[in-house]
Amino acid sequence: DTTVKQNPRYKLARVGKPVNLICSQTMNHDTMYWYQKKPNQAPKLLLFYYDKILNREADTFEKFQSSRPNNSFCSLYIGSAGLEYSAMYLCASSRAGTNTEVFFGKGTRLTVV
Amino acid sequence: GEQVEQRPPHLSVREGDSAFITCTYTDPNSYYFFWYKQEPGASLQLLMKVFSSTEINEGQGFTVLLNKKDKRLSLNLTAAHPGDSAAYFCAVRSGSFNKLTFGAGTRLAVCP
Repeated sequence: DTTVKQNPRYKLARVGKPVNLICSQTMNHDTMYWYQKKPNQAPKLLLFYYDKILNREADTFEKFQSSRPNNSFCSLYIGSAGLEYSAMYLCASSRAGTNTEVFFGKGTRLTVV
Repeated sequence: GEQVEQRPPHLSVREGDSAFITCTYTDPNSYYFFWYKQEPGASLQLLMKVFSSTEINEGQGFTVLLNKKDKRLSLNLTAAHPGDSAAYFCAVRSGSFNKLTFGAGTRLAVCP
């Protein structure tokens, strides 16, 4: 099974409320990623886990949190959602290495109102 | 950091015509290049990856050209059919950990 599963597919959140998005994979990949995609923009890497080590991109460092309780699961957490967080959130995973494929989930569409 | 520009953002062609999409990137140290296809409601699917100074890779119904000298990556669907209608994204890997920098995508519509 080469699928990355994301739940939920659609999420509605209120401004100021927390949001938690879930991702799982059963490929035993050591790296899991979260990308944010807004309409007509490129998917943008927010953060990734290599094994148990979290790496956050510099310009999104304070806006997103993540946890990886085991190899298969990874969550993306927004402590206080703002309107600017409305986007598609793509989870991906891969095995470390120079010639490995990155597999993507179908995404969670978050709408903040 | 790496920046990727993809053109055109929208493309409409007739069935049987060619569809040409191009990406330019900025980091000369980038070394892996990818094309992804995304159909509505589906995940990004890898079409092809390329790794070389100048390379032409042929897939089923498409050709990918990489020109590292010009820092340009292109995708040519040689005889498009309606099933090719989708969003196409180029992506560039530089550095470690399979971190990808994407283009903004091309929405391709192939009309019968």
